[in-house]
Amino acid sequence: SQTIHQWPATLVQPVGSPLSLECTVEGTSNPNLYWYRQAAGRGLQLLFYSVGIGQISSEVPQNLSASRPQDRQFILSSKKLLLSDSGFYLCAWSVLASIEQFFGPGTRLTVL
Amino acid sequence: GDSVTQMEGPVTLSEEAFLTINCTYTATGYPSLFWYVQYPGEGLQLLLKATKADDKGSNKGFEATYRKETTSFHLEKGSVQVSDSAVYFCALRDNYGQNFVFGPGTRLSVLP
Repeated sequence: SQTIHQWPATLVQPVGSPLSLECTVEGTSNPNLYWYRQAAGRGLQLLFYSVGIGQISSEVPQNLSASRPQDRQFILSSKKLLLSDSGFYLCAWSVLASIEQFFGPGTRLTVL
Repeated sequence: GDSVTQMEGPVTLSEEAFLTINCTYTATGYPSLFWYVQYPGEGLQLLLKATKADDKGSNKGFEATYRKETTSFHLEKGSVQVSDSAVYFCALRDNYGQNFVFGPGTRLSVLP
């Protein structure tokens, strides 16, 4: 069966520090991968999606970047965090053979 | 572009009350429709889905019917429980399978 992992689960970082969040998927090949951000009490904002290794599409201009170094690994990064980067970050995957999207447990990031 | 609109809430109900959360969408063609549920501090879980007009998705006592004529996918449950307290997201996936669009989420609180 398929599993999606995210780490860390929680993170507290100072403004201006770098960020690296990791997402890995098990049990499937060539998935589409997604990064979403959910600000406190708000809906989901799609940040990035990837249809293959090295292929990244950005939905909104921002302080963050994403990379996909391996088929089932998706990384969200920042060189210098802003206060506005605080939120709940969700990784998700999908495949064309299955219509729905599957979500990881999320990472709660607090920037102080 | 595609969009999803849902009542933002919060919705507060007493245990065993009837629940309706409205969802309408705008999309070209025939999208697939979903309801996801997010419990506190967790990622999103698929609750139910429908892939074509007049399909009814159901799970855990929740139901939603794909109504193309009204472009709606309202979520209903006949008798809610305290454990149903969560945020509910309506979503669609477009014909090409790459683009998911989420509504803003509706927070439901069920009181004993």
